[in-house]
Amino acid sequence: ETGVTQTPRHLVMGMTNKKSLKCEQHLGHNAMYWYKQSAKKPLELMFVYSLEERVENNSVPSRFSPECPNSSHLFLHLHTLQPEDSALYLCASSQEGQKFNSPLHFGNGTRLTVT
Amino acid sequence: KNEVEQSPQNLTAQEGEFITINCSYSVGISALHWLQQHPGGGIVSLFMLSSGKKKHGRLIATINIQEKHSSLHITASHPRDSAVYICMNDMRFGAGTRLTVKP
Repeated sequence: ETGVTQTPRHLVMGMTNKKSLKCEQHLGHNAMYWYKQSAKKPLELMFVYSLEERVENNSVPSRFSPECPNSSHLFLHLHTLQPEDSALYLCASSQEGQKFNSPLHFGNGTRLTVT
Repeated sequence: KNEVEQSPQNLTAQEGEFITINCSYSVGISALHWLQQHPGGGIVSLFMLSSGKKKHGRLIATINIQEKHSSLHITASHPRDSAVYICMNDMRFGAGTRLTVKP
């Protein structure tokens, strides 16, 4: 039990589909993150929410839309994705988000395949 | 250009060997993180440090702020240490070091 739960674990979707990834943390943290890990590439930070406000957005395409309704839940809404978006999407949380000086707690990730 | 460089990319060791993984970065940091990723994708945070040295069991992490360099050491390595080790500097990640420890 990592304290950060991601669902689904695996997702296969077509390019015209709309789907959402969900992340939930039970650690009482104030910051949540979405990361992308593509094959043979370093991890990339996509979005950071601190106290439910987006504080970082790393020029991610608009086909990825995050939502943070409260400090325990984070969603990543997906629509009209491309095959190159196939990757492992990881959620993480930490006590404090704006200075990256708190330990990160990761979920197990959602492995997304876009066909 | 990735501003966080790790070496080596791949490392194979015999059980019991002392392991060192290096990380260099080019910009100032709030903190440097060492992460461990097992097959299947799950990532565990091993260390977060902004100065000096930290130790947890057989793992030791050091950082030299002036030289912008950090090392992760594993003493008495074991096959269960086989994983990808990633250093992270604020928002930037190294490419990872794939460690395989053979019995």
